[in-house]
Amino acid sequence: AQKVTQAQTEISVVEKEDVTLDCVYETRDTTYYLFWYKQPPSGELVFLIRRNSFDEQNEISGRYSWNFQKSTSSFNFTITASQVVDSAVYFCALSAPRGYNKLIFGAGTRLAVHP
Amino acid sequence: GAVVSQHPSRVICKSGTSVKIECRSLDFQATTMFWYRQFPKQSLMLMATSNEGSKATYEQGVEKDKFLINHASLTLSTLTVTSAHPEDSSFYICSASGGRAGGELFFGEGSRLTVL
Repeated sequence: AQKVTQAQTEISVVEKEDVTLDCVYETRDTTYYLFWYKQPPSGELVFLIRRNSFDEQNEISGRYSWNFQKSTSSFNFTITASQVVDSAVYFCALSAPRGYNKLIFGAGTRLAVHP
Repeated sequence: GAVVSQHPSRVICKSGTSVKIECRSLDFQATTMFWYRQFPKQSLMLMATSNEGSKATYEQGVEKDKFLINHASLTLSTLTVTSAHPEDSSFYICSASGGRAGGELFFGEGSRLTVL
């Protein structure tokens, strides 16, 4: 069965702190994709990144970085020098493309960045 | 701009009425659309997979007769919540795929349903 675990329910940091959001996944598929989405209070999902199972290179995009490690089935997300605008719920998701592009979402981590 | 649009963004209805939510792909043909439900402070749960021209595939525990899904064209899928009750109040989000495996997924803005 596929499963995504985001063990951190809520994280509170002060602006400019670095914060890492954990994501652990389970799948029997050899080909799969991992995603991170941001959901601000308005509700829409903001796409952050997609990573396929064959690409273990870490990714950096501005203040955001992702660490994908197949050995530990983890796909962690780090925000460097956090800002108040980063406050949102962040979801990690897993897709197994067996003819469908269904996403299995983790429970989400609510990040609060305080001034 | 948005490539997947949902309408309405908010709807309030009385218990017992039916509500239709539309999900449109604006500039691509969506062979597959997905409907998710999100209760307050919870994660998104997949309700059903909608393929153009065929019956939707529902996830376990989702009532087919309660949540009617129609995907009559390559740019439109609709979710109808029939005989809505307060427990159906939720945030409903659709996503659309152009068919490429594993990627090119686009989410709509979501529709918040409140049943009084």
